[in-house]
Amino acid sequence: NAGVTQTPKFRILKIGQSMTLQCTQDMNHNYMYWYRQDPGMGLKLIYYSVGAGITDKGEVPNGYNVSRSTTEDFPLRLELAAPSQTSVYFCASSSASTNEKLFFGSGTQLSVL
Amino acid sequence: GNSVTQMEGPVTLSEEAFLTINCTYTATGYPSLFWYVQYPGEGLQLLLKATKADDKGSNKGFEATYRKETTSFHLEKGSVQVSDSAVYFCALMFSGGYNKLIFGAGTRLAVHP
Repeated sequence: NAGVTQTPKFRILKIGQSMTLQCTQDMNHNYMYWYRQDPGMGLKLIYYSVGAGITDKGEVPNGYNVSRSTTEDFPLRLELAAPSQTSVYFCASSSASTNEKLFFGSGTQLSVL
Repeated sequence: GNSVTQMEGPVTLSEEAFLTINCTYTATGYPSLFWYVQYPGEGLQLLLKATKADDKGSNKGFEATYRKETTSFHLEKGSVQVSDSAVYFCALMFSGGYNKLIFGAGTRLAVHP
């Protein structure tokens, strides 16, 4: 029972580099989310998706892009990495049938130097 | 706007001590309230929830009561264990909002033998 799987677990980027954080879920959930966790700041919503082909901005979308071509996958793209994007990134999923419960991946720790 | 405020940590307790972690919220409407827990190196997992005023959520010995009059959802446990050491997040969600969560900053709990 995999749940929500994120890769990689750790990554160091140089300023200006790009990368994609991968997220996949095997629970057939319609809703998927990307949050970033900064120390002392809690989790902030970057982007979310309510189904394949549908995405929308959250609270802090600048510097990121997403796509949702399948129900299972929701990758997060950083095009020009900046030090302000150093954070821990969490992917999560849920649906109307999960009784408002979100299922989280184990996170990606990203450092931009 | 909608927001969640938690007491600052870290909270350090001895095993079998009583735990309270304060959480208050500001919301335009009547949200559902949640406590999520993050154990070291893991993603967040739902601990308990309450969906309307005066509801009490409970799980694994933890309890929290939805208090509309004080806009609070304080987390309590009568006797903590070393295994309860984690970061605890209070959060709110509005129905019809695709299960998007608004988180507090988190409170780290350290329990010593």
